[in-house]
Amino acid sequence: QVQLQESGPGLVKPSETLSLTCSVSGGSISSYYWSWIRQPPGKGLEWIGYIYYSRSTKYNPSLKSRVTMSIDSSKNQLSLKLTSVTAADTAVYYCARHHYDILTGQINWFDPWGQGTLVTVSS
Amino acid sequence: DIVMTQSPDSLAVSLGERATINCKSSQSVLYTANSKNHLAWYQQKPGQSPKLLIYWASTRESGVPDRFSGSGSGTDFTLTISSLQAEDAAVYYCHQYYDSWTFGQGTKLEIK
Repeated sequence: QVQLQESGPGLVKPSETLSLTCSVSGGSISSYYWSWIRQPPGKGLEWIGYIYYSRSTKYNPSLKSRVTMSIDSSKNQLSLKLTSVTAADTAVYYCARHHYDILTGQINWFDPWGQGTLVTVSS
Repeated sequence: DIVMTQSPDSLAVSLGERATINCKSSQSVLYTANSKNHLAWYQQKPGQSPKLLIYWASTRESGVPDRFSGSGSGTDFTLTISSLQAEDAAVYYCHQYYDSWTFGQGTKLEIK
């Protein structure tokens, strides 16, 4: 079964760029939509954006100006970059695969999820 | 954005009793083309990622115990745990995938 594992620095300084990687094992990254979702400590879930294996992307408008997602099919990896971070970006960051109905083109719920990685923004 | 509002924010239920969590969307998530409600429920335990329980508002994910059930349509939905077990203590989130992807604020379920 497909497993996702996020990795990256746990501490980022304010105004710098947060960079995370999601490694996908047990299945191909192709033909699926992949999203990043974050959860500030003790708070709810916020969708950040998705990327398709064809490299098309869609971002949450609230973060769009600061987010870049990319995909490396040869490594079965996704990447997230978030620029100009502040303390408000402190969160557990998850990668997740969408259920995708190829017949209708609908991009649906998230499953599975990675275990998440905590990123703290602090000087 | 479609805003998802859950109620209550927290609840405490005795073992073996029924737990009910409500979720209301700011607009209908019923997609008329397929007559399906684009609504899912997740369970999140401390230190873990969310686990999919229910999708299409009422379809139980494989392996999820049948004490978990989802109901509702349009803008009003309910997650019911028919006979609460100790391992059901968690935070539960509703999630709409009708228009972009948003979540409710979560409901913390504790054992009384």
